[in-house]
Amino acid sequence: EAQVTQNPRYLITVTGKKLTVTCSQNMNHEYMSWYRQDPGLGLRQIYYSMNVEVTDKGDVPEGYKVSRKEKRNFPLILESPSPNQTSLYFCASSFRQTYEQYFGPGTRLTVT
Amino acid sequence: QKEVEQNSGPLSVPEGAIASLNCTYSDRGSQSFFWYRQYSGKSPELIMFIYSNGDKEDGRFTAQLNKASQYVSLLIRDSQPSDSATYLCAVNGQNTGNQFYFGTGTSLTVIP
Repeated sequence: EAQVTQNPRYLITVTGKKLTVTCSQNMNHEYMSWYRQDPGLGLRQIYYSMNVEVTDKGDVPEGYKVSRKEKRNFPLILESPSPNQTSLYFCASSFRQTYEQYFGPGTRLTVT
Repeated sequence: QKEVEQNSGPLSVPEGAIASLNCTYSDRGSQSFFWYRQYSGKSPELIMFIYSNGDKEDGRFTAQLNKASQYVSLLIRDSQPSDSATYLCAVNGQNTGNQFYFGTGTSLTVIP
């Protein structure tokens, strides 16, 4: 089954404790992206990747890191999480950047 | 000015009616336009994409694009209670580089 997976689905952590949210797709897509969704602000792109070893900032990259060492994986790293990073996070992938994106199930992160 | 703007609603229509959802975008060089549906707490799912001016129909859904007016819309015919969700407009384009921009979404309620 073609899909985008994310783990964990739910995470409660404390300020400053490094965490990684994994994202994997099995569709051989070149383009992958991370979004956060907040009430009233909609989906905002954090980082995206055009292909392996090619990443770039989206609209809200501060406090986040990404890497793309393999085509199928695109982890999101929060080196020192803060409460303002409490949000619902989605990973998405598409064949190319101008094509439709397919979303993972989401990760609900709470930072206390 | 936001890259993509939508009326937040809520929009209520009776079952069987036509629901009309609208979206405007600021980047005149935008090339790809998407409509996603999102149920509460779930990930966005693609409904339609459109690249060229005019109408594109898929079942009960019709996407309309007018690049001169920088306007894209989604019509839902014979609306069903199961169509009750938030509808997100997304745009990818020339001047935005490889980024995607989403509107904040329009909440639709179909009343039985």
